[in-house]
Amino acid sequence: GAGVSQSPSNKVTEKGKDVELRCDPISGHTALYWYRQSLGQGLEFLIYFQGNSAPDKSGLPSDRFSAERTGGSVSTLTIQRTQQEDSAVYLCASSSYRRDQPQHFGDGTRLSIL
Amino acid sequence: GDSVTQMEGPVTLSEEAFLTINCTYTATGYPSLFWYVQYPGEGLQLLLKATKADDKGSNKGFEATYRKETTSFHLEKGSVQVSDSAVYFCALNSLNTGNQFYFGTGTSLTVIP
Repeated sequence: GAGVSQSPSNKVTEKGKDVELRCDPISGHTALYWYRQSLGQGLEFLIYFQGNSAPDKSGLPSDRFSAERTGGSVSTLTIQRTQQEDSAVYLCASSSYRRDQPQHFGDGTRLSIL
Repeated sequence: GDSVTQMEGPVTLSEEAFLTINCTYTATGYPSLFWYVQYPGEGLQLLLKATKADDKGSNKGFEATYRKETTSFHLEKGSVQVSDSAVYFCALNSLNTGNQFYFGTGTSLTVIP
């Protein structure tokens, strides 16, 4: 079946512009996660959606970052007034709400801020 | 809180060498444990998992055993290949933390011919 799909795969934009990154999770997965991965670094948790519950936003680095998940499916991560330090790969993952089930990751969006 | 501590890299091995990447964890309750692999330019892929104590996960020649007494989940492979060059992440999740996942910092492996 289809995996997690992210778009665009690459995004280059100028400092100060807003960007939107999209994630389409695996059908039926109630949990959706966003991570940021800087070059050669590990995963930095950003935000977690679970069903209709309030999202866990504890990882968002500043109020320039926001995310929404419409209809319990597709999610959009928005970065306003981008800064050069926002350059990274943004990874999305989804999972079912079961302890023994893994996350499934998309291939990420590589964001470059000029 | 829950956390994962993973062996620092980078690790460089010759082809056919034995691989161990150490992973220890701290968790409340009964977490599931995972190893993910990330090839260049790609997202993370599940390599193997174990969901309870003494379980052994295995895939593609890699193995890891869930050791509750030592809170460890070390990744091993008897004979690495050049194609195993990648970054490896240890992770746990627990419904005690609302199905949140916790990742180690990743270990970069390079296998040279």
